[in-house]
Amino acid sequence: NAGVTQTPKFRVLKTGQSMTLLCAQDMNHEYMYWYRQDPGMGLRLIHYSVGEGTTAKGEVPDGYNVSRLKKQNFLLGLESAAPSQTSVYFCASGRGNHNEQFFGPGTRLTVL
Amino acid sequence: SQQGEEDPQALSIQEGENATMNCSYKTSINNLQWYRQNSGRGLVHLILIRSNEREKHSGRLRVTLDTSKKSSSLLITASRAADTASYFCATAFLGNDYKLSFGAGTTVTVRA
Repeated sequence: NAGVTQTPKFRVLKTGQSMTLLCAQDMNHEYMYWYRQDPGMGLRLIHYSVGEGTTAKGEVPDGYNVSRLKKQNFLLGLESAAPSQTSVYFCASGRGNHNEQFFGPGTRLTVL
Repeated sequence: SQQGEEDPQALSIQEGENATMNCSYKTSINNLQWYRQNSGRGLVHLILIRSNEREKHSGRLRVTLDTSKKSSSLLITASRAADTASYFCATAFLGNDYKLSFGAGTTVTVRA
């Protein structure tokens, strides 16, 4: 069981470039989440999904898009990266209904 | 914001001592969860306490919940160097089935 995996682990982008972060889970969880973590601010929810084919906005969705075409995968896209999107991105999955969440190792993104 | 807020922001203790950190929140909850994050890693779930519970134990961890004061505490007894990490409380608010709100965390350093 790999749990929750994220690719890539690190990435450096120039302003205006695009990229996709991939999250995969092998626990058959219905719910998946994308967070960003910035110093002193804890985790903030970007987008989440309550099942295959569904997505919803979280606390800080602007500048990001997501897709959940397969139950095990949750993709986070940046169409035109900005320096304000420099952050560590975490994916998580869970059974929902206020249960615990399982986190991936994170992706450290720097936008120059 | 509905986020939980941890106190203190940072804590430094000697190995073998106890570490206590607190979390306060603003609205009614379904449950409250504590997570640990080692440097450069993802979050790991430690313990979940439901709104109708007052205390819960897991190994060297003790969590209390006071819903009248909207606060929780996490006690780590007989701390070890391996307990050095950041600790986050996450609140599952009523009427918010899929999401957790994370605080900014308490950074704990255990000195050998």
